[in-house]
Amino acid sequence: AQRVTQPEKLLSVFKGAPVELKCNYSYSGSPELFWYVQYSRQRLQLLLRHISRESIKGFTADLNKGETSFHLKKPFAQEEDSAMYYCALMIGAGSYQLTFGKGTKLSVIP
Amino acid sequence: GAGVSQSPSNKVTEKGKDVELRCDPISGHTALYWYRQSLGQGLEFLIYFQGNSAPDKSGLPSDRFSAERTGGSVSTLTIQRTQQEDSAVYLCASSLGWGYQDEQYFGPGTRLTVT
Repeated sequence: AQRVTQPEKLLSVFKGAPVELKCNYSYSGSPELFWYVQYSRQRLQLLLRHISRESIKGFTADLNKGETSFHLKKPFAQEEDSAMYYCALMIGAGSYQLTFGKGTKLSVIP
Repeated sequence: GAGVSQSPSNKVTEKGKDVELRCDPISGHTALYWYRQSLGQGLEFLIYFQGNSAPDKSGLPSDRFSAERTGGSVSTLTIQRTQQEDSAVYLCASSLGWGYQDEQYFGPGTRLTVT
């Protein structure tokens, strides 16, 4: 069965510092990877997905198939980035539900 | 436009009672998903409906859990004989189609507390 691991429950960084939220996955095939974000008192929303190769709010994520990782990065953290971040994968081929990691709470210190 | 809505927003029930949670997906969305968010387990998939196909029930934790989707729109998640371990936030999501490119839009959730 597939699994997503986010090793850090909580990550605190200073404003302006670089951010890296780690995500590792296990699945024998080639899944699609996503990052979801949940800001305080807001609903869960898609931040970015590997298939789109996009950069959203300054965040990027690179899929490393050798290391089975999909770490989320931003060069300069902003206070408004403080939120809960979830890495997720979808295995496709008729199975389109998301498998989530347990999440990392990012706290950006002013 | 209107997003995914869920009702009730909060539900407190006694152990052993049945509960029904409702999800109204975005109009025109053909896929609908239920997830559960609990302190110990994080976000877990429960069930999803894909158009008119039989639902994928592979994530349901026990036969006390069931879900219906009527008319390809509204969905109801039913938990029978609730247990304390059922306490969680139940999230519904919908997407236009089903596939990697179809973004899942989440509702605000129903917080279920079983006393």
